[in-house]
Amino acid sequence: GAGVSQTPSNKVTEKGKYVELRCDPISGHTALYWYRQSLGQGPEFLIYFQGTGAADDSGLPNDRFFAVRPEGSVSTLKIQRTERGDSAVYLCASRGRTGAGELFFGEGSRLTVL
Amino acid sequence: GQQVMQIPQYQHVQEGEDFTTYCNSSTTLSNIQWYKQRPGGHPVFLIQLVKSGEVKKQKRLTFQFGEAKKNSSLHITATQTTDVGTYFCAGPGDSSYKLIFGSGTRLLVRP
Repeated sequence: GAGVSQTPSNKVTEKGKYVELRCDPISGHTALYWYRQSLGQGPEFLIYFQGTGAADDSGLPNDRFFAVRPEGSVSTLKIQRTERGDSAVYLCASRGRTGAGELFFGEGSRLTVL
Repeated sequence: GQQVMQIPQYQHVQEGEDFTTYCNSSTTLSNIQWYKQRPGGHPVFLIQLVKSGEVKKQKRLTFQFGEAKKNSSLHITATQTTDVGTYFCAGPGDSSYKLIFGSGTRLLVRP
């Protein structure tokens, strides 16, 4: 696609439920990132994929968070046993091989845990 | 770990006034990037600075990278209402691909 696509744009769930957030990066971009952004804060790094493998998952807050990218394109961020503190906007970004190394962000998935 | 701090957190200016945001890193950076996020939107890349002391301009925006490559600034001349948003700097973390964002400076412009 022309840009990074994220679904759903909004997700409201109850505490304790399981949630999946999807990211479709720009075609041909091998690097994919997940960030989390709380109100009034900068994006917080969660995980980075180069191809299919998670090259760096040091930003995942705990083992309730997991992300996959099985075919090196679409990625899914999975959150188990959601907590109210997980409420935030989850941003996906991709980066190509050329250019300044800039990240291209999607519109984000706003997660609200009640 | 590496931290990127930005000041001020928030600035409200009259249209036509200038605006500056400052970014400071706890470590030397190989490069620094700047992004703009409009209200309700997502971060959009503005520019990357690589060289010590580098200055780049984009119309009314001037970006500087410090001599020691630990700080940077973004200056907007004669702000317009279209400049409204939050400006983030971002630098490589403990590896070159890991981009760490500052807390951002939110700019409001009174028409």
